[in-house]
Amino acid sequence: GAGVSQTPSNKVTEKGKYVELRCDPISGHTALYWYRQSLGQGPEFLIYFQGTGAADDSGLPNDRFFAVRPEGSVSTLKIQRTERGDSAVYLCAAPQGNTEAFFGQGTRLTVV
Amino acid sequence: QKEVEQNSGPLSVPEGAIASLNCTYSDRGSQSFFWYRQYSGKSPELIMSIYSNGDKEDGRFTAQLNKASQYVSLLIRDSQPSDSATYLCAVGGGTSYGKLTFGQGTILTVHP
Repeated sequence: GAGVSQTPSNKVTEKGKYVELRCDPISGHTALYWYRQSLGQGPEFLIYFQGTGAADDSGLPNDRFFAVRPEGSVSTLKIQRTERGDSAVYLCAAPQGNTEAFFGQGTRLTVV
Repeated sequence: QKEVEQNSGPLSVPEGAIASLNCTYSDRGSQSFFWYRQYSGKSPELIMSIYSNGDKEDGRFTAQLNKASQYVSLLIRDSQPSDSATYLCAVGGGTSYGKLTFGQGTILTVHP
């Protein structure tokens, strides 16, 4: 929705592997958010970019998680040494207006 | 205490009835309030936003905000089976500008 594309739509990886999840805000939004949604829960904030810089990364659970947005458009969420507890749907969102978040279709990450 | 609380439900209403969904929040400085609808396997979809005390109507949906009571609700009139989904309350602004804090969602079932 609202021009946010996420790839891949599904990712299965083995425990301990490294993964990258991509978000492309097609409409050129300045702000970009990453959320994580576990089954039966609401989305949980991870990180917020304003342009190229991370304005708020307080939601990243630990140092295995890292995100970049080098040119202020496409963002990549990187997870090192994946654990089974990292399995969730990772959502990227871009605002329109004040703080509304319009979500992409998400990447379902499964760590086996 | 969770920052944003919703009854998880499920809430079951007959077709044509009014569905009432409730949400409370803890950050008194919150400035923006949203309701998202999420169908199974899909990403959240913004359906209502409200910023000031009172009611805001959009078609069959009415959002109500009471900042003194730290309470926001969503009424769905003439409920349809297609309204069956999880409804997520989200709160933004205040001490955490730039990100949204979500409740766990209320499952709504509208039966014919």
